[in-house]
Amino acid sequence: GEDVEQSLFLSVREGDSSVINCTYTDSSSTYLYWYKQEPGAGLQLLTYIFSNMDMKQDQRLTVLLNKKDKHLSLRIADTQTGDSAIYFCAANSNSGYALNFGKGTSLLVTP
Amino acid sequence: KAGVTQTPRYLIKTRGQQVTLSCSPISGHRSVSWYQQTPGQGLQFLFEYFSETQRNKGNFPGRFSGRQFSNSRSEMNVSTLELGDSALYLCASSLRRTTFTDTQYFGPGTRLTVL
Repeated sequence: GEDVEQSLFLSVREGDSSVINCTYTDSSSTYLYWYKQEPGAGLQLLTYIFSNMDMKQDQRLTVLLNKKDKHLSLRIADTQTGDSAIYFCAANSNSGYALNFGKGTSLLVTP
Repeated sequence: KAGVTQTPRYLIKTRGQQVTLSCSPISGHRSVSWYQQTPGQGLQFLFEYFSETQRNKGNFPGRFSGRQFSNSRSEMNVSTLELGDSALYLCASSLRRTTFTDTQYFGPGTRLTVL
């Protein structure tokens, strides 16, 4: 199976919270990342969490990590239409600087 | 501080040709990684360069190669282009504070179309 898996689509109403989930297989991953990609653009680093942390909060973003289950989630509070984009979960591989990416979750925020 | 820059932003080539893409990392960053993004395969790691040496390599054929210069700028080359090489090529830079891994910042990418 894939090293990093994500659900492909999520639709939420403006003002609601969005939760994007991710699972990974490599237990040696020490950095776990969330990137955002808007149409025609590169990847924007949103946040990251070290594997020895359970939670990280950064303004509207909250990352939760369950290392036992190898499950990562990104919560976006008060989701806005400008948050519509593809969100990628990534984990560093045991070979170092190579990142393993999920296929991306397409978030659609409707007014 | 300026971000990662990639040139050109768009390229159109024909099968059999070769292409060179360029990446300038964030000032002070010494590691440059390259990724290929396609609708079918998603984001795949090509290789990483640090101190002008390839440190990690993904599972791509030898037609894909790269190099890094003393100022940390990097180029990647694809020879004998195939239709399947059409993709967004993304470059990422990092400080490489540890030998294991470090946060990577991506550029806007180069969109390569092979006809």
